[in-house]
Amino acid sequence: DTEVTQTPKHLVMGMTNKKSLKCEQHMGHRAMYWYKQKAKKPPELMFVYSYEKLSINESVPSRFSPECPNSSLLNLHLHALQPEDSALYLCASSQDVSAYNEQFFGPGTRLTVL
Amino acid sequence: AQKITQTQPGMFVQEKEAVTLDCTYDTSDQSYGLFWYKQPSSGEMIFLIYQGSYDEQNATEGRYSLNFQKARKSANLVISASQLGDSAMYFCAMRGGTSGTYKYIFGTGTRLKVLA
Repeated sequence: DTEVTQTPKHLVMGMTNKKSLKCEQHMGHRAMYWYKQKAKKPPELMFVYSYEKLSINESVPSRFSPECPNSSLLNLHLHALQPEDSALYLCASSQDVSAYNEQFFGPGTRLTVL
Repeated sequence: AQKITQTQPGMFVQEKEAVTLDCTYDTSDQSYGLFWYKQPSSGEMIFLIYQGSYDEQNATEGRYSLNFQKARKSANLVISASQLGDSAMYFCAMRGGTSGTYKYIFGTGTRLKVLA
């Protein structure tokens, strides 16, 4: 199984809503990532989890809250988002955080904040 | 600081022909990995090929090959026998090994259009 799954595929939410994005992998990978991608731009790293511990937070606003319940799951909790947070949110995983390991990406969640 | 540069915002290629997508990089790390990803309009990032900084041979994966010139700090992707399904955005990425960063550095991407 070389697949990273993400739910939901699409999400529309108001600025006062609370929602969560979910990501799952069953490849035994110990590193998981959240990226944000605006249209026609490369992905921007948000968070890195290594062995279920948060190792990098790229100065992401606190309205985004990551959670890694176990080695296969990664959540991104959303609260009080702004319209400029509308983007494609990509989850990825890799064997570990070594430079030599490719990341496998999920299909993404297209988020629209109204 | 690490940097990836893709100078071709868009490229066209005729079906069944080969195409080269350019990528240059800058890093102070001695060991690093170079990666190419394909992103169709559906949004998923698809891993294509990897080259390690210490690999002496150019990486190949099916129709994809990576032309790695370490002294020139370039890692160009060559797609042979282009197919209509190759139309997508292509990102070059780098990951440093010795500086402690776990981050992928992505280039700005090249949009490839394969013409029938």
